[in-house]
Amino acid sequence: AQSVTQLDSQVPVFEEAPVELRCNYSSSVSVYLFWYVQYPNQGLQLLLKYLSGSTLVKGINGFEAEFNKSQTSFHLRKPSVHISDTAEYFCAVSARPGKLIFGQGTELSVKP
Amino acid sequence: EAGVAQSPRYKIIEKRQSVAFWCNPISGHATLYWYQQILGQGPKLLIQFQNNGVVDDSQLPKDRFSAERLKGVDSTLKIQPAKLEDSAVYLCASSLGTEYTEAFFGQGTRLTVV
Repeated sequence: AQSVTQLDSQVPVFEEAPVELRCNYSSSVSVYLFWYVQYPNQGLQLLLKYLSGSTLVKGINGFEAEFNKSQTSFHLRKPSVHISDTAEYFCAVSARPGKLIFGQGTELSVKP
Repeated sequence: EAGVAQSPRYKIIEKRQSVAFWCNPISGHATLYWYQQILGQGPKLLIQFQNNGVVDDSQLPKDRFSAERLKGVDSTLKIQPAKLEDSAVYLCASSLGTEYTEAFFGQGTRLTVV
């Protein structure tokens, strides 16, 4: 079985500051890794995904994540955030295509 | 390209009543998913369809929840009878096929059971 732990439930940050949202996972098999963003009253939108290859993955809106197999982590980063990045961010793992196991979510709040 | 359509957007019912949600996936997407997102938690997969067949319904509470995908396109999720703990956002998602990892999500239906 797989599980995901997002280490911070809320992350407040000032505009133009860097941010890191932490995600650890547990799995006995190889997994695919994802970050999704959910804006208020919206569905989930894929930010980026790791399937194989380079451990540094670049996504939309300037976000990137690094897969660290030894530490079973997949932290999300952005060097400079905007007010519009305020949203809920979900880390997810999948041992087979289609079945996503989500973390609890991290609420990113960007303040002016 | 049109996205995943869900209706209604909001629904309030009393406990023990029944309710149904509708989902129209992206055209051509063979795989359809229903997720339940309880407030403060990440989405949880309830059921996955490949065309009109069920791939995974291991977390669907089958005593009260049912889902169908007639003709392999639209899908409905029904709850009967509803309980207070069913209050959640029900998200529908679709993907090209089971071998594709990216799922596209609808805006969801927010259900409140009072």
